[in-house]
Amino acid sequence: QVQLQESGPGLVKPSQTLSLTCTVSGGSISSGSHYWNWIRQPAGKALEWIGRIYTSDNTNYNPSLRSRVTISVDTSKNQFSLNLSSVTAADTAVYYCARGGVFDWLPLEWGPGTLVTVSS
Amino acid sequence: EVVLTQSPDFQSVTPKEKVTITCRASQSIGSSLHWYQQKPDQSPKLVIKYASQSISGVPSRFSGSGSGTDFTLTIKSLEAEDAAAYYCHQSSSLPLTFGGGTKVEIK
Repeated sequence: QVQLQESGPGLVKPSQTLSLTCTVSGGSISSGSHYWNWIRQPAGKALEWIGRIYTSDNTNYNPSLRSRVTISVDTSKNQFSLNLSSVTAADTAVYYCARGGVFDWLPLEWGPGTLVTVSS
Repeated sequence: EVVLTQSPDFQSVTPKEKVTITCRASQSIGSSLHWYQQKPDQSPKLVIKYASQSISGVPSRFSGSGSGTDFTLTIKSLEAEDAAAYYCHQSSSLPLTFGGGTKVEIK
């Protein structure tokens, strides 16, 4: 059974870059069978899809965040990462990593989430 | 972008009562509509996929229907453990999108 775990700083200053890593266990991130997603949720609000990666050169981003987002993969560590630049308070949220299929895009397995607060 | 509009935003329901949540898509998405349950401080859990397909381990009181632009999640007889927020999600096209959520409270 695959498990995902987010990690990274819980506090980021405005205008800086938010960086998170998702560690995958119980399955290979390079199997070629899955998309690896980042999704966020501000407190009390709805879920927002940030983007996903399939291979190192196959990524899709939400147009609303595309100019600030980079998702990358490190197959040697079985991890994928999120960088979100020029953050503001509006980027404060619980960030989830999640796995979806290449044919069934819906996220099926989720990490527990990690709260990132943007504040000086 | 496919916008998903859920209703109602909030529902207070007595145990054993039937719950119906609707999700309307801004354009046709076939049956690529899924439902998640999210309890406080937990990650979302899939309860229905592709509009009406059941999920292993999810109680049979959960069912879904619809296609195109109009979808429904039904909880046949609400139990206390069903108190949660419910989100619809479409995987028909990018960007993936979610509905605004429906919070179900137990009276």
